[in-house]
Amino acid sequence: QLQLQESGPGLVKPSETLSLTCTVSGGSISGNNHYWGWIRQPPGKGLEWIGTIFYSGSTYYSPSLESRVTISVDTPKNQFYLRLTSVTAADTAVYYCARNFGDYVGYFYYYMDVWGKGTTVTVSS
Amino acid sequence: ESVLTQSPGTLSLSPGERATLSCRASENVNTNYLAWYQQKPGQAPRLLISGASNRATGIPDRFSGSGSGTDFTLTISRLEPEDFAVYYCQLYGGSPLFTFGPGTKVDIK
Repeated sequence: QLQLQESGPGLVKPSETLSLTCTVSGGSISGNNHYWGWIRQPPGKGLEWIGTIFYSGSTYYSPSLESRVTISVDTPKNQFYLRLTSVTAADTAVYYCARNFGDYVGYFYYYMDVWGKGTTVTVSS
Repeated sequence: ESVLTQSPGTLSLSPGERATLSCRASENVNTNYLAWYQQKPGQAPRLLISGASNRATGIPDRFSGSGSGTDFTLTISRLEPEDFAVYYCQLYGGSPLFTFGPGTKVDIK
């Protein structure tokens, strides 16, 4: 059974860099049909897609965060990572990683079928 | 980039009642690109529906999705106590790129 687990510091100072790891177990991150992504949820608010990576390293980012975000992957470790620079209080959120499942109907389309439990990151001095 | 709106913002209903949640896109979308998620307090979202109408594994048949073009609906035929939660629609925009709607909270009347 595929499981995802986020990990990283729960507290980050303003202007510093937020770094999180998502560890995938029960399956390989190198599957051909799937991407792997990060989503966040500020306290009391809705879900925001941050970005997505393919095991080959191809990345796709939300336009609103693209200038500050880097997502990377380590296939031997079955992990992928989020790096968000120059954080402010507005980046305080629960951060989730999720598999973007690729469904094929003559073309691929994607949705998030397996999620981690989330990790809370607070930006504060 | 299509924007999603969901209505109502909050739906107050009693167990056993029917819930009808709306998701509207700002432009026509591929029906396959629309998904629905359920989120309970303190939990991660859970996939309910993909491709606008395909129930995910383990999702009870009281949940159904429908719609096309710009208008999509999630229906819960008879609310169970565990169904009171927030529901999000999500659009796959290609590339891949994703957009979430703002959510509809279904609470107990």
